[in-house]
Amino acid sequence: QSALTQPASVSGSPGQSITISCTGSSSDVGGYNYVSWYQQHPGKAPKLMIYEVSNRPSGVPDRFSGSKSGNTASLTISGLQAEDEADYYCSSYTRSSTLVFGTGTKVTVL
Amino acid sequence: EVQLVESGGGLIQPGGSLRLSCAASGFTASSNYMSWVRQAPGKGLEWVSVIYSSGYRYYADSVKGRFTISRDNSNLDLQMDSLRAEDTAVYYCAHSSGYYFFDYWGQGIQVTVSS
Repeated sequence: QSALTQPASVSGSPGQSITISCTGSSSDVGGYNYVSWYQQHPGKAPKLMIYEVSNRPSGVPDRFSGSKSGNTASLTISGLQAEDEADYYCSSYTRSSTLVFGTGTKVTVL
Repeated sequence: EVQLVESGGGLIQPGGSLRLSCAASGFTASSNYMSWVRQAPGKGLEWVSVIYSSGYRYYADSVKGRFTISRDNSNLDLQMDSLRAEDTAVYYCAHSSGYYFFDYWGQGIQVTVSS
């Protein structure tokens, strides 16, 4: 199972909006509404930000939103803040009953 | 307080075996879906294995036939045999309150495979 494709890096200024893409295939992202997104700060465990494409766990700011179109899912961060600087990973359920993570995106707040 | 605490990591020679354990506490209900996820030094997250409450188990191709996942009540184990240098990583225990996502993670434990 190949990793889902994400851009290596995305940057934005405080207050701006950025979008991170996550591209898979009809066997994973496109075939199921089981895409999730994780934030990981250096040396820390990942934190769930979005599950089932667009659902936000309690405690996650509504600045974070998720969507999907075809084989590509997206995470949008609106009103970018300094503490949003981190690595972000998407994940999807697959036709093989496994999970696959994305390649990861480093978000830099300028 | 919800907690996942991994143990059992360390330095092991290629071809050796290691057993990781994850103690779960503070959950109001048993998880339907628990996994191990690893992260090699400077690399991204890699899903390793999952076990459902029903007992179904699935593995990544990279560990199939070498790793075995098991659970006992709220505790999760990973038996790792025939270890290779490329298995060197921080291993995370992950819990799902539903399916196919992880809302609780352990702090991670280092496994280093080297001679």
